[in-house]
Amino acid sequence: GAGVSQSPRYKVAKRGQDVALRCDPISGHVSLFWYQQALGQGPEFLTYFQNEAQLDKSGLPSDRFFAERPEGSVSTLKIQRTQQEDSAVYLCASSDAGQTTNYGYTFGSGTRLTVV
Amino acid sequence: AQSVAQPEDQVNVAEGNPLTVKCTYSVSGNPYLFWYVQYPNRGLQFLLKYITGDNLVKGSYGFEAEFNKSQTSFHLKKPSALVSDSALYFCAVRDRVDSNYQLIWGAGTKLIIKP
Repeated sequence: GAGVSQSPRYKVAKRGQDVALRCDPISGHVSLFWYQQALGQGPEFLTYFQNEAQLDKSGLPSDRFFAERPEGSVSTLKIQRTQQEDSAVYLCASSDAGQTTNYGYTFGSGTRLTVV
Repeated sequence: AQSVAQPEDQVNVAEGNPLTVKCTYSVSGNPYLFWYVQYPNRGLQFLLKYITGDNLVKGSYGFEAEFNKSQTSFHLKKPSALVSDSALYFCAVRDRVDSNYQLIWGAGTKLIIKP
């Protein structure tokens, strides 16, 4: 597609429920990032993929968070046993030049997760 | 520690007036510098970047930014503000070392343009 597509746009989950957030990067983009953005704050890094390899997951806040990109294209961010503090916008970004890119990234519109 | 500062939480400007959104950074070496804009319920949109060369960088929607190495600043500017420029603006930097691929973000500045 022409841009980075994320689904769903909005997700309301009951506390304790598992959720899965999907990211469709720009076709051919090697790098894929997940960010968490709390209301009124800048994005916080969660994890980074280069093709199907998850090279950095240092930003994942707990072992309830899991991300995968099995075929090097679509990625899924899964949150198990959601808590209220997980409420945020989850942004996906992709880039086309591996780790050597000197450009910014293309972001999706995000998934707004609200845990009630 | 590497950091990006956007000292103003909010900037108010009258339509037609020039605007400046400030950004300073503390990163070793000469980083890549970026500005992004975020409209309500939308993702982050790339505005402009500084990689090398001319210190004045021109970007989308009439925005420009000036890189000042001695002051470690990368302020965003526009000569004449539009109401439609009202949004949240983020400054971000990235180390030139390839292995340091993460963007370091400022906290954002809310720009309000009043008619």
